[in-house]
Amino acid sequence: DAEITQSPRHKITETGRQVTLACHQTWNHNNMFWYRQDLGHGLRLIHYSYGVQDTNKGEVSDGYSVSRSNTEDLPLTLESAASSQTSVYFCASMNGQAGRYGYTFGSGTRLTVV
Amino acid sequence: QKEVEQDPGPLSVPEGAIVSLNCTYSNSAFQYFMWYRQYSRKGPELLMYTYSSGNKEDGRFTAQVDKSSKYISLFIRDSQPSDSATYLCAMSGSSNTDKLIFGTGTRLQVFP
Repeated sequence: DAEITQSPRHKITETGRQVTLACHQTWNHNNMFWYRQDLGHGLRLIHYSYGVQDTNKGEVSDGYSVSRSNTEDLPLTLESAASSQTSVYFCASMNGQAGRYGYTFGSGTRLTVV
Repeated sequence: QKEVEQDPGPLSVPEGAIVSLNCTYSNSAFQYFMWYRQYSRKGPELLMYTYSSGNKEDGRFTAQVDKSSKYISLFIRDSQPSDSATYLCAMSGSSNTDKLIFGTGTRLQVFP
């Protein structure tokens, strides 16, 4: 069965370290998204990609970067982790029109920056 | 003002109750409306999908869209403890580059 997997599920890191969260999907979806979810804010879009070599900033992109070298993977990098980046991170993917098909989400990565 | 507004709750109801979850929105270009369910420590899962105005029913769940009022609802009949989750509304326009815009989610607790 096709799936979207995130790793690690939990991560504790220190302030100032570089951290990379992995997202891998076998749906063959062109479009991939990274969100963070915090109490009171809901899902906030960090970065997204509409295909290989395409990346775009979302509403809360400062301090984060992504790269898309193949269809299956969109890793999210925190350049220098800050305590404000403690959150739950979700990756999502889709093909075609967002409204018609919706997003498929991964199970999330819970990141704690100490 | 956010494009999509959703009461965060929490909403606590007894088993068997009818639950009404709601979102309002401001962008008249939205054509597609969805509800996602998110269990604790899991990713959101698509629950219901509706195009334009009207109702859609799926078992105990009914999704309702009133575009004239920019208001959408999700009704859960005969609510069960297994319905305890956070429910997020989401909506989108009709362009291929439109992204889903999410509400902040309403936390629902159904107690036995």
